[in-house]
Amino acid sequence: DGGITQSPKYLFRKEGQNVTLSCEQNLNHDAMYWYRQDPGQGLRLIYYSQIVNDFQKGDIAEGYSVSREKKESFPLTVTSAQKNPTAFYLCASSAAGGYNQPQHFGDGTRLSIL
Amino acid sequence: GEDVEQSLFLSVREGDSSVINCTYTDSSSTYLYWYKQEPGAGLQLLTYIFSNMDMKQDQRLTVLLNKKDKHLSLRIADTQTGDSAIYFCAETGVTDSWGKLQFGAGTQVVVTP
Repeated sequence: DGGITQSPKYLFRKEGQNVTLSCEQNLNHDAMYWYRQDPGQGLRLIYYSQIVNDFQKGDIAEGYSVSREKKESFPLTVTSAQKNPTAFYLCASSAAGGYNQPQHFGDGTRLSIL
Repeated sequence: GEDVEQSLFLSVREGDSSVINCTYTDSSSTYLYWYKQEPGAGLQLLTYIFSNMDMKQDQRLTVLLNKKDKHLSLRIADTQTGDSAIYFCAETGVTDSWGKLQFGAGTQVVVTP
């Protein structure tokens, strides 16, 4: 079955530690996205990538980094510079980066501070 | 910037119709989406409508778009307990050619027996 796989489902971060969230898709989609969801709020865009080896900052990129070395993979690193990392992180992909291409989502990773 | 607003909560009896409302400010909005999120899960794409349409029906779901008032609604007929979830409205427009989605805060729908 085609889809988007995020791992792990739950992740805990210690003070001063970087952690990496995995996102893999087998939909052959060109574009991939990372969102952050806080309780009672909509989704906010962290980073997006329209093609391999290229990515752009979203609305809240500070304290995060990404890479796009393969079409199917778009890992997100939450660095120690992100002072409030506790949130639900969602990865999405679309067939191409365009306004007529719906985004499809993974099941998310919940990150908490130890 | 663009804004998308939704009411935060809706309670509905099983078997009744639910109507979830959404307003947006971006006049260049081209596609408008409805997503469903169940507890602890990601977002599931329910349906979407192009801005040159007034209505779209898909089984129990009916989307109505009033472009003049920038108002979007999702009607769920014969609401079931499995419809209990958070529903997000989202829009994208030609000003964001790469497809940036602007989300509302979500409407929590609770279906009671």
